Amino acid sequence: KQEVTQIPAALSVPEGENLVLNCSFTDSAIYNLQWFRQDPGKGLTSLLLIQSSQREQTSGRLNASLDKSSGRSTLYIAASQPGDSATYLCAVSPRGTGFQKLVFGTGTRLLVSP
Amino acid sequence: NAGVTQTPKFQVLKTGQSMTLQCAQDMNHEYMSWYRQDPGMGLRLIHYSVGAGITDQGEVPNGYNVSRSTTEDFPLRLLSAAPSQTSVYFCASSYSDRVLRTEAFFGQGTRLTVV
Repeated sequence: KQEVTQIPAALSVPEGENLVLNCSFTDSAIYNLQWFRQDPGKGLTSLLLIQSSQREQTSGRLNASLDKSSGRSTLYIAASQPGDSATYLCAVSPRGTGFQKLVFGTGTRLLVSP
Repeated sequence: NAGVTQTPKFQVLKTGQSMTLQCAQDMNHEYMSWYRQDPGMGLRLIHYSVGAGITDQGEVPNGYNVSRSTTEDFPLRLLSAAPSQTSVYFCASSYSDRVLRTEAFFGQGTRLTVV
């Protein structure tokens, strides 16, 4: 059974710092990995999608990498801002079970202080 | 640009009551899913659909029922609400292209409390 783990569970940094959020998964047989952002009391906003054949994706100050063989992904946030404060979730789409059936980690709660 | 719309946003039910959580998407996506989010457990899949008329169970289907009569709508029914169903419910829709690139889009959630 695919399991997804996110470390750390919570992270507090000063504004301007570069940071890395980690996501690991137990089974490398995946279609895709997706990073989401969730603000308190809100829904999930898709940040980046990495197909299994890709190594990384970039959007603005965000860069996500994927090492499928080791079961790891990282989300790099450059020059963090208070507006980046949110919970970040990663989810994988496992092969063999239907690519629309996402398996989620429990998230990293990020606080960026001014 | 509506995307995935869920109603209601908040609901309080008494134990044993039934209700339907509504979900609609306007992106013509084939796939729709329902997840619940509980503290410390992440999102878990309840039911999903790969197209109109086709549904299947996810990880935690007990106590819930779904149907998919149109591409746009995917309601989730609680048959007899229990306190264990207190949670935040999210509906998602997704597509897949020819290279199996798939991306999921989520609604804003329904916060349900069962007393």
